[in-house]
Amino acid sequence: ETGVTQSPTHLIKTRGQQVTLRCSSQSGHNTVSWYQQALGQGPQFIFQYYREEENGRGNFPPRFSGLQFPNYSSELNVNALELDDSALYLCASSSQGAEGYTFGSGTRLTVV
Amino acid sequence: GNSVTQMEGPVTLSEEAFLTINCTYTATGYPSLFWYVQYPGEGLQLLLKATKADDKGSNKGFEATYRKETTSFHLEKGSVQVSDSAVYFCALSSANQAGTALIFGKGTTLSVSS
Repeated sequence: ETGVTQSPTHLIKTRGQQVTLRCSSQSGHNTVSWYQQALGQGPQFIFQYYREEENGRGNFPPRFSGLQFPNYSSELNVNALELDDSALYLCASSSQGAEGYTFGSGTRLTVV
Repeated sequence: GNSVTQMEGPVTLSEEAFLTINCTYTATGYPSLFWYVQYPGEGLQLLLKATKADDKGSNKGFEATYRKETTSFHLEKGSVQVSDSAVYFCALSSANQAGTALIFGKGTTLSVSS
């Protein structure tokens, strides 16, 4: 059984640019959630996708958007990057209705 | 709104010492409660969970009991090892009509020395 894989592992972007992060969910999982973890903080819920539709959203602005594909993989897009977007971005997959979340190792985004 | 508060770290212990990391929560309804562990440079791993009041979650010598009357889910281990050094996060699940999100505490860093 494969786990959750995220790419890239590290990324450096300039303020104002756009970034796309990718996530492959664990086999058998149909729901993907994204979290932002700033340094020294707990992860913050960004949004969740189920059946290719956004299925819940945290307190993040619209410049954070996502996609889920038919194979349940997902992308997180962030437009107009700000310095405060520098963080570890974690993807977690689960089965809808279950409460077992499997996390990936994350993408470390640095905005300069 | 729902929230999780856990004790400030870092917690520094000698090998074989007893560990307690306090966690309290505020939530409407009856959330499930979790402890996750994060090793340096890695993502989160589920350590244990409890889904209803008085449930005890346990794994790898760690345990925590869901206490509804005190809204707590304290993590304990009788004898820590150097390999337990990591950041520990308490979390609750917050379900609404649009899905389920995990709400995390800020994390507690545990450092165990030999």
